[in-house]
Amino acid sequence: DQQVKQNSPSLSVQEGRISILNCDYTNSMFDYFLWYKKYPAEGPTFLISISSIKDKNEDGRFTVFLNKSAKHLSLHIVPSQPGDSAVYFCAARGRSGTYKYIFGTGTRLKVLA
Amino acid sequence: AAGVIQSPRHLIKEKRETATLKCYPIPRHDTVYWYQQGPGQDPQFLISFYEKMQSDKGSIPDRFSAQQFSDYHSELNMSSLELGDSALYFCASSLRGSYNEQFFGPGTRLTVL
Repeated sequence: DQQVKQNSPSLSVQEGRISILNCDYTNSMFDYFLWYKKYPAEGPTFLISISSIKDKNEDGRFTVFLNKSAKHLSLHIVPSQPGDSAVYFCAARGRSGTYKYIFGTGTRLKVLA
Repeated sequence: AAGVIQSPRHLIKEKRETATLKCYPIPRHDTVYWYQQGPGQDPQFLISFYEKMQSDKGSIPDRFSAQQFSDYHSELNMSSLELGDSALYFCASSLRGSYNEQFFGPGTRLTVL
């Protein structure tokens, strides 16, 4: 079963506007969450992360919000740029003892110029 | 900065053949992870190694084996290849630690005919 879900397979946003990518998870044992960006023919590139003890982490144009009670996290990109067009994967990691990531199915973001 | 290196980048094999994928982690990274991404799917964790010992195991078929060598590079050996093994295989490396993100290589695209 899919423990990490990204229910929107694609998203189109106008340049300069906010992009919001969503991710839901089912396992309350996850304690660390990450967002990766992937361009075609490249490996995933780390963007931003958040531990379960926080509810927000910000890095430049990227902010990740975590709502533990809803088992939901979101990635906000403001302002969106055409170079942000890529597939975004949400990933979660279990508590200590395992460092493997469980990935979501990805959301393809297209930023329109 | 040095990144994760994977070789080969592309590999074409026939059914029932064997394949070996190689991964060279970022210098000083002690942990290597292997993921498989099928067409239109999320990356699925296969196996990981820490200090040359298997540290975690995911959905890796019995036909596959892997190891990490003294120089920390890792090899994924795949035997009796099946059509369904066609996928992108990513290697990632990290420093062992609670909140150290994984850095991904560009992947090896395996096509089984």
